[in-house]
Amino acid sequence: QVQLQESGPGMVKPSQTLSLMCAVSGDSISSGNNYWSWIRQPPGKGLEWIGYIYYNGNTFYNPSLKTRVTILVDTSKNQFSLKLNSVTAADTAVYYCARAGIGGLDYWGQGTLVTVSS
Amino acid sequence: DIQMTQSPSILSASVGDRVTITCRASQSISYLLAWYQQKPGKAPRLLIYDASNLESGVPSRFIGSGSGIEFTLTIHSLQPDDFATYYCQQYNSYSPWTFGQGTKVEIK
Repeated sequence: QVQLQESGPGMVKPSQTLSLMCAVSGDSISSGNNYWSWIRQPPGKGLEWIGYIYYNGNTFYNPSLKTRVTILVDTSKNQFSLKLNSVTAADTAVYYCARAGIGGLDYWGQGTLVTVSS
Repeated sequence: DIQMTQSPSILSASVGDRVTITCRASQSISYLLAWYQQKPGKAPRLLIYDASNLESGVPSRFIGSGSGIEFTLTIHSLQPDDFATYYCQQYNSYSPWTFGQGTKVEIK
């Protein structure tokens, strides 16, 4: 059973860096069979894709966030991370990590709410 | 970037109805489209991938179709558990992935 679990601070101050981790179990990131993605959803709004990473570190980011986003992978710990710098209130959202399988995002974490506030 | 436009934004229906949601891409995405169901406070659930393939464990009343720029999700005989918000998503390899804005299926 594949499971993903997000972790990280629930509140970040404006202009600081949002940092989240996604721990994967039931699948090996280093197998190279999937992409590993971050998605966010502001309260009451739709889904926004942030980016994905492959086991070898190759990344692809949403152009609207590209200058502020870094996604990294740690295959030894079977986890990947998200950093979003210079945050503002507009970055307040539920952040999800997910696995991109043969088609679409087939396994998701439960999501974690990150609030940007002083 | 490829824009995904869903319609309608809200759909009112009754149990037993057949409902159809449409998703239009701003350029051809071949068959690289997925549909998700999301309930309040929960992560999205993959229903359909590659436009028409049913994800394992998803009831057969969910039917996806289309290719190129126009896609549909049809729910045959709507069940109480189906009242939720539905999103399409394109995953063209050479473009940033994008979601539609969502369609809320509510009880009439």
